[in-house]
Amino acid sequence: NSKVIQTPRYLVKGQGQKAKMRCIPEKGHPVVFWYQQNKNNEFKFLINFQNQEVLQQIDMTEKRFSAECPSNSPCSLEIQSSEAGDSALYLCASSLNRHQAPLFGEGTRLSVL
Amino acid sequence: GDSVTQTEGQVALSEEDFLTIHCNYSASGYPALFWYVQYPGEGPQFLFRASRDKEKGSSRGFEATYDKGTTSFHLRKASVQESDSAVYYCALGGTGNTGKLIFGLGTTLQVQP
Repeated sequence: NSKVIQTPRYLVKGQGQKAKMRCIPEKGHPVVFWYQQNKNNEFKFLINFQNQEVLQQIDMTEKRFSAECPSNSPCSLEIQSSEAGDSALYLCASSLNRHQAPLFGEGTRLSVL
Repeated sequence: GDSVTQTEGQVALSEEDFLTIHCNYSASGYPALFWYVQYPGEGPQFLFRASRDKEKGSSRGFEATYDKGTTSFHLRKASVQESDSAVYYCALGGTGNTGKLIFGLGTTLQVQP
């Protein structure tokens, strides 16, 4: 079954620690998205890429979030200094183009203690 | 800015009941509209999409019709099953042609046998 692979499924960090999660998009999908889903089911778009280039991103105001999709390597999302409010389900998705519905992975559930 | 409103936070039905989940959107032009379903512990699964006025999308017995006049994309199913119990999300394609989706807050469907 083709799908988006996210690792790890669960991630537990202390406040101030770095948290890194990875995503392997569906084969042949050049567009990759990261969303944050909080405990109230709210989706927050973080960033998306087409191949290695950023298409759109939030103001990453905290500057603690960074993401990349290098060629021939998994995409990654990293939080430099985790805060309790970062606890959420981080969802990666990919699509064939910008108009096709994204295919989601199962997510990485981050808990910041 | 663009937004999606799902009227019902929770819906409780019995098997074979008729389902309607209301979705209204606010956006300029003709944004693409999507329905996703999310089961516990999984990422959202794409159901279907529509991108033109009066276009009907359907999958797995679910259907919705794009209505530009009422800015709606209501999800319907004639006869629900217990296995349909999940959270349903309406989403719209954001402006800017980047593929970003804006999700509603979701509707939790509970179907009793």
